[in-house]
Amino acid sequence: GAVVSQHPSWVICKSGTSVKIECRSLDFQATTMFWYRQFPKQSLMLMATSNEGSKATYEQGVEKDKFLINHASLTLSTLTVTSAHPEDSSFYICSANPSGKSETQYFGPGTRLLVL
Amino acid sequence: AQTVTQSQPEMSVQEAETVTLSCTYDTSESDYYLFWYKQPPSRQMILVIRQEAYKQQNATENRFSVNFQKAAKSFSLKISDSQLGDAAMYFCAYRSGGAQKLVFGQGTRLTINP
Repeated sequence: GAVVSQHPSWVICKSGTSVKIECRSLDFQATTMFWYRQFPKQSLMLMATSNEGSKATYEQGVEKDKFLINHASLTLSTLTVTSAHPEDSSFYICSANPSGKSETQYFGPGTRLLVL
Repeated sequence: AQTVTQSQPEMSVQEAETVTLSCTYDTSESDYYLFWYKQPPSRQMILVIRQEAYKQQNATENRFSVNFQKAAKSFSLKISDSQLGDAAMYFCAYRSGGAQKLVFGQGTRLTINP
């Protein structure tokens, strides 16, 4: 149980284009999901908290217009990197808390983004 | 704001031996949770063990156990009978009882020598 998937696992795009990453909870509902960014050999940096049916909460220094988050259902959150640039290349990870059981976060396998 | 510190960037241990990874944290709260996550080369984050701050008993999961020292704000992870599959980055994480987001430490890269 408590499986989180991400799609795609690996994406290459041209500078200036937008990329959408999906995060799905497969066997539970999640009113809250989280988006992290991880640079090589570094820890996870929380970008934003995705709330089902309401606006996402962004961490300080994260541009909300750059990283658009939509949490339209209890099992799906999407992160769209708009007008991507090479500096946006990174590993993006989502996680989710089962609704009503928020002690533990379960993580997706991550999405590697390379912007050329 | 809460902070989590892992002072060992890298550790290595011989297969079948025991290794302890250190973690300290800073908080003024009394209600919180602590976690150890493992990130193998696949980069999938895997929960290793969880500790509720209100519990005095140290959590254990098979070969993994913690030494939770609440007064000292220390939360170390002990891996017994180390196996090659234990090689990974290990992250210590803190979660406030009143919130859901995690605060991660810098990570410790564990190498298992055969």
